[in-house]
Amino acid sequence: DGGITQSPKYLFRKEGQNVTLSCEQNLNHDAMYWYRQDPGQGLRLIYYSQIVNDFQKGDIAEGYSVSREKKESFPLTVTSAQKNPTAFYLCASSANGQGIEAFFGQGTRLTVV
Amino acid sequence: GNSVTQMEGPVTLSEEAFLTINCTYTATGYPSLFWYVQYPGEGLQLLLKATKADDKGSNKGFEATYRKETTSFHLEKGSVQVSDSAVYFCALNSGGSNYKLTFGKGTLLTVNP
Repeated sequence: DGGITQSPKYLFRKEGQNVTLSCEQNLNHDAMYWYRQDPGQGLRLIYYSQIVNDFQKGDIAEGYSVSREKKESFPLTVTSAQKNPTAFYLCASSANGQGIEAFFGQGTRLTVV
Repeated sequence: GNSVTQMEGPVTLSEEAFLTINCTYTATGYPSLFWYVQYPGEGLQLLLKATKADDKGSNKGFEATYRKETTSFHLEKGSVQVSDSAVYFCALNSGGSNYKLTFGKGTLLTVNP
């Protein structure tokens, strides 16, 4: 089955530690995205990548980093510089083009204690 | 820049009631419009979309019409079910150099039996 997989579903980390969230897709999509979801805030774009080896900052990139070394993979690192890292993180992918919908993973809930 | 405004929730209805969730947008050019649904603890799923003015998207009894003159894409369903309880997101993407989605803040719908 084609799809987009995020792992793990739940993640706990101590304050001050970096943590990497995994996102893999086998849909052959060029574009991939990371969103953060907080109650009452909707989805906010952290980083996006339209093609392998290239990525751009979204609206709330501070304290996060990404890489796009393979088309299938777009890992997100939450660094210790992110002041409020506890949130639900959603990865998505799409073909490039207007009117093309994005497909989402099941999300990772990160809790920093 | 692009933006999406949704009616604030939560919305609580009885089974078989009529549903409307308002969505208006601001965008450059001619955006494509989407409604996504999120069930508890899961990622987002595409519900319907419309790519040009006067298009009507429909799926699972839900409908929305792309109204360019009022910059709106209101979601409607004639008779809701308990299983429709979820968070609904309106979103858009526009052309240019990237096709990233811009989301509204989401509307929580609860349907009671």
